[in-house]
Amino acid sequence: KAGVTQTPRYLIKTRGQQVTLSCSPISGHRSVSWYQQTPGQGLQFLFEYFSETQRNKGNFPGRFSGRQFSNSRSEMNVSTLELGDSALYLCASSLAPGQANTGELFFGEGSRLTVL
Amino acid sequence: AQTVTQSQPEMSVQEAETVTLSCTYDTSENNYYLFWYKQPPSRQMILVIRQEAYKQQNATENRFSVNFQKAAKSFSLKISDSQLGDTAMYFCAFMKHFGGYNKLIFGAGTRLAVHP
Repeated sequence: KAGVTQTPRYLIKTRGQQVTLSCSPISGHRSVSWYQQTPGQGLQFLFEYFSETQRNKGNFPGRFSGRQFSNSRSEMNVSTLELGDSALYLCASSLAPGQANTGELFFGEGSRLTVL
Repeated sequence: AQTVTQSQPEMSVQEAETVTLSCTYDTSENNYYLFWYKQPPSRQMILVIRQEAYKQQNATENRFSVNFQKAAKSFSLKISDSQLGDTAMYFCAFMKHFGGYNKLIFGAGTRLAVHP
């Protein structure tokens, strides 16, 4: 069974640009969540999607957005990039709540974003 | 709001020895999950062990076991017979059991180095 796939793995952008990151969950997983990992702030929850709807949102500015498609694949977008957006962005998939959900999240390898 | 605290930024242990990583958390919830996730240098986060708050019995997975003290809000991880492959960042994490969907609250992490 294929794991969670994130693309691209590495990318470099300049301030003011925007970026789109993609995540393909494990087959059968309908919940996708995103986390930002930085040395200073650690792992912080961005948002979670289930059935193409955002179910939960962390404390991030509106420049951070996401969406989920009917095949459960998800994208997140960051507009007007700032230096502080440099981070590892992790995507995690899981069974939907109620589907024998054990709470376990399965993580991808992440997308390393560097903003210059 | 829930918080998770890991007070040991770094730890080291000799191969084959036992090490305990500490974690405390704060919540007013009664039903929740607690997790230990491992993030090796290759970055992909994987689940080490999971504990449901309503279960009094401490979870065990091979060489990994937890000491769950619900009243004290403490959730430590014991690694027995440490192996070089255990070298990684270890994150303690909290998730509400109902209503919170799949949102993990992470601690800051403990960097564990296993030496030969």
